[in-house]
Amino acid sequence: NAGVTQTPKFQVLKTGQSMTLQCAQDMNHNSMYWYRQDPGMGLRLIYYSASEGTTDKGEVPNGYNVSRLNKREFSLRLESAAPSQTSVYFCASSEDLTGVYGYTFGSGTRLTVV
Amino acid sequence: AQSVTQLDSQVPVFEEAPVELRCNYSSSVSVYLFWYVQYPNQGLQLLLKYLSGSTLVKGINGFEAEFNKSQTSFHLRKPSVHISDTAEYFCAVKGLGGTSYGKLTFGQGTILTVHP
Repeated sequence: NAGVTQTPKFQVLKTGQSMTLQCAQDMNHNSMYWYRQDPGMGLRLIYYSASEGTTDKGEVPNGYNVSRLNKREFSLRLESAAPSQTSVYFCASSEDLTGVYGYTFGSGTRLTVV
Repeated sequence: AQSVTQLDSQVPVFEEAPVELRCNYSSSVSVYLFWYVQYPNQGLQLLLKYLSGSTLVKGINGFEAEFNKSQTSFHLRKPSVHISDTAEYFCAVKGLGGTSYGKLTFGQGTILTVHP
């Protein structure tokens, strides 16, 4: 089925370790996003990419880096994981930044940093 | 910048009863408004959206929402809920143009629990 695919679904890291969360969409969308979800705080935007070759900071970018590898793929990297980064991470995509058609979300990556 | 406040963190209701999930927003520019639903261990799915035109919008699964510009609200309603509606619901706002471009701001979420 067409949509947004995230890997891995679950991950446990030790403080200071690094990892990359992968995201790919097959809907030919131009814009992609990374959000984190924490209890009682809704979803907060980490980074977004308006189109291939561009990335911009969102609301909570500190401690993260992103790469828009091509039109389909948008990865999120934690260089030195901290317990405060324990969260559920969602990748999303949309046709463009207008948001007229809504966003399509992946099923999430549940990350625990110990 | 935009902000969204969902006025109830949890709403318990009995099956076949009506329900309203409340959402207020703040923005200095015109907005698009959305409701998303998240079932356990899944991503978010779009329920409905308001872009312009009629202030009453209908979505999937029998849900509807009304945009009230004067009260800056976008409350979600369903006349008769089912057990399968148990989920977390998120209101979201997107400002049009300027520094809001590209940013969808979410509320804190409302957990709807439907009891038999």
